[in-house]
Amino acid sequence: AQSVAQPEDQVNVAEGNPLTVKCTYSVSGNPYLFWYVQYPNRGLQFLLKYITGDNLVKGSYGFEAEFNKSQTSFHLKKPSALVSDSALYFCAVRDWAGKSTFGDGTTLTVKP
Amino acid sequence: GAGVSQSPSNKVTEKGKDVELRCDPISGHTALYWYRQSLGQGLEFLIYFQGNSAPDKSGLPSDRFSAERTGGSVSTLTIQRTQQEDSAVYLCASISTGGASAGELFFGEGSRLTVL
Repeated sequence: AQSVAQPEDQVNVAEGNPLTVKCTYSVSGNPYLFWYVQYPNRGLQFLLKYITGDNLVKGSYGFEAEFNKSQTSFHLKKPSALVSDSALYFCAVRDWAGKSTFGDGTTLTVKP
Repeated sequence: GAGVSQSPSNKVTEKGKDVELRCDPISGHTALYWYRQSLGQGLEFLIYFQGNSAPDKSGLPSDRFSAERTGGSVSTLTIQRTQQEDSAVYLCASISTGGASAGELFFGEGSRLTVL
């Protein structure tokens, strides 16, 4: 069975500093990996995805993620955090049959 | 419509009553998911519909939960004899299988269920 682990419940960074939100996965076959963001009292929004190709993928709002096959990781990164980036972030993996499994989420807080 | 539409947005019910939650996916999306998100928690997979295939019901927590998708479009999640632990936000998502957005889930705003 596929699974996703987000080892940190909370990540706190100062505005302007780089941020990393960690994600590791387990899936049979080639992984399809996704990051979603949930702002307070809002629905989930797609941020970025890895299907194939370059290991570094770029997404919305200046976010990027690096796919590392040997470490089965797909960490979310941003070079310079904004207060407005504060939200709940979910990593997800999709298997060949189309079923998407989500991690438990990481709350990112960016302080001014 | 332009996005995934869910109704009702809020539902308060008494323990033991049945509830129905509706999801209208993006036109043309062949796959549809239901997830449950309890307060401050992650997304719990409930059920997955893909085209005309038999749905993946492996996430339904008990036989009080059921879902159907009529005509390959609108889906209804039914919870019978609701319990307080059913209180959560129920999220529906549909997925594009082609084009630049292939594989991305498009979520509705959710239906917040409160069981008193």
